Amino acid sequence: KQEVTQIPAALSVPEGENLVLNCSFTDSAIYNLQWFRQDPGKGLTSLLLIQSSQREQTSGRLNASLDKSSGRSTLYIAASQPGDSATYLCAVSGFFTGGGNKLTFGTGTQLKVEL
Amino acid sequence: DTGVSQNPRHKITKRGQNVTFRCDPISEHNRLYWYRQTLGQGPEFLTYFQNEAQLEKSRLLSDRFSAERPKGSFSTLEIQRTEQGDSAMYLCASSQGASNEKLFFGSGTQLSVL
Repeated sequence: KQEVTQIPAALSVPEGENLVLNCSFTDSAIYNLQWFRQDPGKGLTSLLLIQSSQREQTSGRLNASLDKSSGRSTLYIAASQPGDSATYLCAVSGFFTGGGNKLTFGTGTQLKVEL
Repeated sequence: DTGVSQNPRHKITKRGQNVTFRCDPISEHNRLYWYRQTLGQGPEFLTYFQNEAQLEKSRLLSDRFSAERPKGSFSTLEIQRTEQGDSAMYLCASSQGASNEKLFFGSGTQLSVL
């Protein structure tokens, strides 16, 4: 059974700091890995998707890396801003017998960026 | 393209009552998923549709839960005889069809069972 762990559970940083969120998973047989953002009481917004054959993806100030063999991913946020405050969730995609894209989520890292 | 739409946004019910949630996926997406999220946890998979066919159900989906996607467009999730443990955010997601594609999530329905 796939298990996804995210460290740290919570993080508070001053504005402008660069930071790294960590995600680890137990089964390396994955299709892809996604990082999501979730604001309180809201749904999930997809930030980055890394295919299993890729090593990293970048979007603006965000960079996500994937080391499938060791079961690890990191999300790097450059020059953090108060608007980045949210919970960041890592999810790995496994296989359905009927196709589809089954995600197993970690419990998230709650980020607070302070002025 | 208005994204994945879920209704209602919030539902408060008494224990033992039945509730139904609706999800309207992105129009060209043929795959639809339901997830459940409790406070402080990541979402957990409940069930998956490809078009109108329900292809997988989690063991979390007890006999009190039923999901349908009658015409391969919108989907409903019904919970019968609700229990306090059913209180959670119910999230719907859709994707276009490739297994490597992103899932797009709705804003969820927050269920509170009193």
